[in-house]
Amino acid sequence: NAGVTQTPKFRILKIGQSMTLQCTQDMNHNYMYWYRQDPGMGLKLIYYSVGAGITDKGEVPNGYNVSRSTTEDFPLRLELAAPSQTSVYFCASTPGGDIQYFGAGTRLSVL
Amino acid sequence: GQQVMQIPQYQHVQEGEDFTTYCNSSTTLSNIQWYKQRPGGHPVFLIQLVKSGEVKKQKRLTFQFGEAKKNSSLHITATQTTDVGTYFCAGRAGSYQLTFGKGTKLSVIP
Repeated sequence: NAGVTQTPKFRILKIGQSMTLQCTQDMNHNYMYWYRQDPGMGLKLIYYSVGAGITDKGEVPNGYNVSRSTTEDFPLRLELAAPSQTSVYFCASTPGGDIQYFGAGTRLSVL
Repeated sequence: GQQVMQIPQYQHVQEGEDFTTYCNSSTTLSNIQWYKQRPGGHPVFLIQLVKSGEVKKQKRLTFQFGEAKKNSSLHITATQTTDVGTYFCAGRAGSYQLTFGKGTKLSVIP
């Protein structure tokens, strides 16, 4: 049982490039979330999904897009990367909206 | 929108001393959760409190939820070096979303 798996673990992007952060969970959880964590700033919600085909914006959605075509996968797309998107990105899932299980994170630098 | 304030931001203690972090919400919460994040790691769930005035214990950790369900605290008795990390509270106010505090970074001096 792998839990929540995120890839890649590290990535360096140039300004203006695009990339997709992958997140997959094998726990059959309906709810999935994307957070970003900046130093000393806690976790901020980017997007979330309550089930396949349903997504909604969180606190800081600008510059990002998501899709949820299956229960297992919840990729996060960065279009036109900017230095302000340098952060650590965490994906999380939960069966019923309570306890959140986090992936190991993706450390992204935009230079 | 909902805000969750957490203090202190940093705490340095001598091993064996006690540690407390406090969490305050701008709105009444349906529940509050606590997570621990080790340096370089990801947040790991510790506990969830749901009832007004609830107190839960996990070995040396004591968690409290305020009577008004707007504040919470985590107290660690006799800290150990294994307690090092950042402790986050996260509150839910009836939606699918959790609002995280900024965390308290605990350093333990051996």
